[in-house]
Amino acid sequence: DVKVTQSSRYLVKRTGEKVFLECVQDMDHENMFWYRQDPGLGLRLIYFSYDVKMKEKGDIPEGYSVSREKKERFSLILESASTNQTSMYLCASSSGTGSVNTEAFFGQGTRLTVV
Amino acid sequence: AQSVTQPDIHITVSEGASLELRCNYSYGATPYLFWYVQSPGQGLQLLLKYFSGDTLVQGIKGFEAEFKRSQSSFNLRKPSVHWSDAAEYFCAVGAWAGNMLTFGGGTRLMVKP
Repeated sequence: DVKVTQSSRYLVKRTGEKVFLECVQDMDHENMFWYRQDPGLGLRLIYFSYDVKMKEKGDIPEGYSVSREKKERFSLILESASTNQTSMYLCASSSGTGSVNTEAFFGQGTRLTVV
Repeated sequence: AQSVTQPDIHITVSEGASLELRCNYSYGATPYLFWYVQSPGQGLQLLLKYFSGDTLVQGIKGFEAEFKRSQSSFNLRKPSVHWSDAAEYFCAVGAWAGNMLTFGGGTRLMVKP
């Protein structure tokens, strides 16, 4: 089974802290994604990566950055956490463009509260 | 720009009743369409997907969805709902199967005994 693992299920951080959310996948997937989930808004794409050391902005990148130093790991960074970043964060991975009949697999999510 | 609309934020059905969750999308080319389910405190699980071919697709847990290009819709159905189906359901569209997805706002399903 594909496994996408997010390092924390719940996090509480203070305003202004630097926060790291880690995601690891074990299926050698090329593509990795970070989404943010808020009630009524569904999931919105923050950043994605199609290869190691590659990153692209999604729909709501402001206040976030990412790092992909290894193929299996994709980190989301909140440089200075703010209360409006309190949310559920979901990581996903998928095979590359050659695998047209695959789909994205999601981690369990990290519920981040910024106080 | 692509978009997905799920018109119903909440739906309540009785156990054993039929279910239809609506999804409308806007996309410039042939879309890849997905339905995901999220149980409380869990990540997203894929119910079914449509890429091409037969417009009626079968998924897990007895769900099916029908792609209607003329109506830009991809509605999810189940003939008889079980209490364990209570969850939040998300419709999503992408340019290709493993690509970034655009999600609808979700529909929360409650099941009455």
